Amino acid sequence: NAGVTQTPKFQVLKTGQSMTLQCAQDMNHNSMYWYRQDPGMGLRLIYYSASEGTTDKGEVPNGYNVSRLNKREFSLRLESAAPSQTSVYFCASSDPREVHNEQFFGPGTRLTVL
Amino acid sequence: DQQVKQNSPSLSVQEGRISILNCDYTNSMFDYFLWYKKYPAEGPTFLISISSIKDKNEDGRFTVFLNKSAKHLSLHIVPSQPGDSAVYFCATWKTSYDKVIFGPGTSLSVIP
Repeated sequence: NAGVTQTPKFQVLKTGQSMTLQCAQDMNHNSMYWYRQDPGMGLRLIYYSASEGTTDKGEVPNGYNVSRLNKREFSLRLESAAPSQTSVYFCASSDPREVHNEQFFGPGTRLTVL
Repeated sequence: DQQVKQNSPSLSVQEGRISILNCDYTNSMFDYFLWYKKYPAEGPTFLISISSIKDKNEDGRFTVFLNKSAKHLSLHIVPSQPGDSAVYFCATWKTSYDKVIFGPGTSLSVIP
């Protein structure tokens, strides 16, 4: 099992450009999440999806959109990138029916917006 | 306002000694408390958890203590090893919510 995979690993954008971060999991989890990690801020939830076809805003959704394409895939789109979106982005998945809702994370995408 | 706080951004410990990482939370309704460990250039991985109905959980060198009256939990690593050098995130979860809330993290350095 690959677990949670993310592409790309690194990306540099210019202000105003758009891009989509891809995420896939092979653990048959219903719930999927997008986080950003910034120094001193920990992991902040951008969007999450409790099941295929549903998405909800997290703590910092502005400037982002998501698509839960199917049970396996959950993509994050930046329509018009801004320097404030420079961050490391992590996708995660979990099964909330499991004890303590352990989240499984991908390796991350390091995004720089110039 | 942060619901989960880790007031020490960094901690340095000698190999073989005890590492104590602390976490405070504001909402008494959480059902589970978790610790995640993160190495550079990798995603976080689950380390250990504790239910709100317990006050201690142990797994090998790792022990988590929960003090509900103080809304405080701590992670003890004994003995500390250089491979424990990582960022540790405290996290909380309520079973009626899908979302897990993470603290800002503490960077642990274990010096050989």
